[in-house]
Amino acid sequence: QVQLVESGGGVVQPGGSLRLSCAASGFTFSSYGMHWVRQAPGKGLEWVAFIRYDGSNKYYADSVKGRFTISRDNSKNTLYLQMNSLRAEDTAVYYCAKAPPGAAANYWGQGTLVTVSS
Amino acid sequence: EIVLTQSPGTLSLSPGERATLSCRASQSVSSSYLAWYQQKPGQAPRLLIYGASSRATGIPDRFSGSGSGTDFTLTISRLEPEDFAVYYCQQYGSSSFTFGPGTKVDIK
Repeated sequence: QVQLVESGGGVVQPGGSLRLSCAASGFTFSSYGMHWVRQAPGKGLEWVAFIRYDGSNKYYADSVKGRFTISRDNSKNTLYLQMNSLRAEDTAVYYCAKAPPGAAANYWGQGTLVTVSS
Repeated sequence: EIVLTQSPGTLSLSPGERATLSCRASQSVSSSYLAWYQQKPGQAPRLLIYGASSRATGIPDRFSGSGSGTDFTLTISRLEPEDFAVYYCQQYGSSSFTFGPGTKVDIK
């Protein structure tokens, strides 16, 4: 069965860095685009970044552009999100989600919590 | 960037009633690349509808989507107890995959 397991969350000081991982199994990882989506406590969903199945194109929300980098290693079935220059407003649960080409995200992980606080 | 607005913010209904949720885009959503998700407290979102009107795998037929261009609707024909949740629309037709702010469906 499809599994997406996020890890790497935790508490970090403002200005710090963190790298999130999303381990995928149960499907052909290299055939799917992948998203990162976040949700601040008590708030709605905010799309963060997307990477095509082969890593050829990457897209970012304006709120994270220049600070966050999405990447993937298809040989390890793993998606990454490198987060630099973190701010308090980046505090959220971060979800990874898989998306067939040209289609909506049809399966989501359970999320990992990132807290940016001094 | 396409901005999505959802209305109403909260919908208070009783089990068995019909729910109609609206999602409006600031510009036309190409090829009806509009999805609806359901989220319950403490859970990840679940895809309900994609392509504006196609039900995702395993989604009951009481859920239906319609619309095109800038106006889209999610209809729940008869609310079941497990349907009380927050619903989000999302457009995925451009290079920015924005979500709407959500509609909470709660028990009246």
